[in-house]
Amino acid sequence: DAGVIQSPRHEVTEMGQEVTLRCKPISGHDYLFWYRQTMMRGLELLIYFNNNVPIDDSGMPEDRFSAKMPNASFSTLKIQPSEPRDSAVYFCASRSSTGGPSGGYTFGSGTRLTVV
Amino acid sequence: AQSVSQHNHHVILSEAASLELGCNYSYGGTVNLFWYVQYPGQHLQLLLKYFSGDPLVKGIKGFEAEFIKSKFSFNLRKPSVQWSDTAEYFCALGPGGYQKVTFGIGTKLQVIP
Repeated sequence: DAGVIQSPRHEVTEMGQEVTLRCKPISGHDYLFWYRQTMMRGLELLIYFNNNVPIDDSGMPEDRFSAKMPNASFSTLKIQPSEPRDSAVYFCASRSSTGGPSGGYTFGSGTRLTVV
Repeated sequence: AQSVSQHNHHVILSEAASLELGCNYSYGGTVNLFWYVQYPGQHLQLLLKYFSGDPLVKGIKGFEAEFIKSKFSFNLRKPSVQWSDTAEYFCALGPGGYQKVTFGIGTKLQVIP
């Protein structure tokens, strides 16, 4: 298995532009998580899905952020419009419920977003 | 609400020194605890996890952690660090039966050859 695949690895965009981050979870994993990592706040859970359904989006910072999971093999995190304070590394992670209630996640390599 | 505290944000050690990274959590129910490692420029990888049973958990690369329920702690240890252990270490808490895992702020470990 190729693991959790995220694209792009790096994204530089201008303030006000729309940004779309992509994630392909491990095949068979029924949970998908989006995290944001910054120096000041560490790793923050933004949203997670179970069987493609959003379960908890309480970590999404504001309406500019949205996430979708149209099928079991693909999820997007969209920021529109982007702002400099959105600059961070965004990680996607997946896990299988057969691994127990809180089994370890498999993380993707992350997308480093810079908004100028 | 659940929370995780890592008290040492930056630790510098010489090779062969012993390591202990502190982690305390706040949650009133059954917990699952994890340590993750993030090598420079890479994604997080699971080092070890505690669900139940023996409170001393052994992980990969010679790391171990001890769950002390009375102290709400899950400290990470390694008897002798190597330069290749230079990384950031995250403690994480997942309440039993629930998916929302909370991560600590992380501890940057720098091992000097």
